[in-house]
Amino acid sequence: SQKIEQNSEALNIQEGKTATLTCNYTNYSPAYLQWYRQDPGRGPVFLLLIRENEKEKRKERLKVTFDTTLKQSLFHITASQPADSATYLCALPTGNNRKLIWGLGTSLAVNP
Amino acid sequence: EAGVAQSPRYKIIEKRQSVAFWCNPISGHATLYWYQQILGQGPKLLIQFQNNGVVDDSQLPKDRFSAERLKGVDSTLKIQPAKLEDSAVYLCASSSRTFGYHQETQYFGPGTRLLVL
Repeated sequence: SQKIEQNSEALNIQEGKTATLTCNYTNYSPAYLQWYRQDPGRGPVFLLLIRENEKEKRKERLKVTFDTTLKQSLFHITASQPADSATYLCALPTGNNRKLIWGLGTSLAVNP
Repeated sequence: EAGVAQSPRYKIIEKRQSVAFWCNPISGHATLYWYQQILGQGPKLLIQFQNNGVVDDSQLPKDRFSAERLKGVDSTLKIQPAKLEDSAVYLCASSSRTFGYHQETQYFGPGTRLLVL
């Protein structure tokens, strides 16, 4: 069956460093992959989408890579700030109706 | 542009009681989703509507959960009777589907936190 795995342990980094989060998937080949941010008590907020034919995508301090051979996406936040502390979720479409399946999320804490 | 609205924000009920959640999607969004998110997990799709038709309800526990989207706009999700394991956050999301595009961004509401005692 299709499966998504994200870093299960919380990630703690120092302000100014680069945070790298991992999303691995098995048993299918998605046409694209999305990353969302979720703060406590709120719904997820869309950050970036990367298509299968794109190797890398950037948005301000965010960078996403997509390696369809490794079946892996990496999500980077450069020059991290305490305000970046949140849970980050990856999601991939599946099926004819492109239903999204979601990873468990990785909790990121950026310490000042 | 107004976001996805949900109510109530919090609900505490006893097991075997009934509860209903309401969602108003972003204006013009044809697709509406209801997700269940248990603490520490990612969202799990319960039901997806395209306008007022059901696209996917394969993970909806139909013996106790029901949902409707009258007139293709607002939607309600009901649980009757509730069980302890239904304690979760219920998220509503909407998206606008553009013909020919595979990708679609989902916009989420703040969610309803349900606690079943």
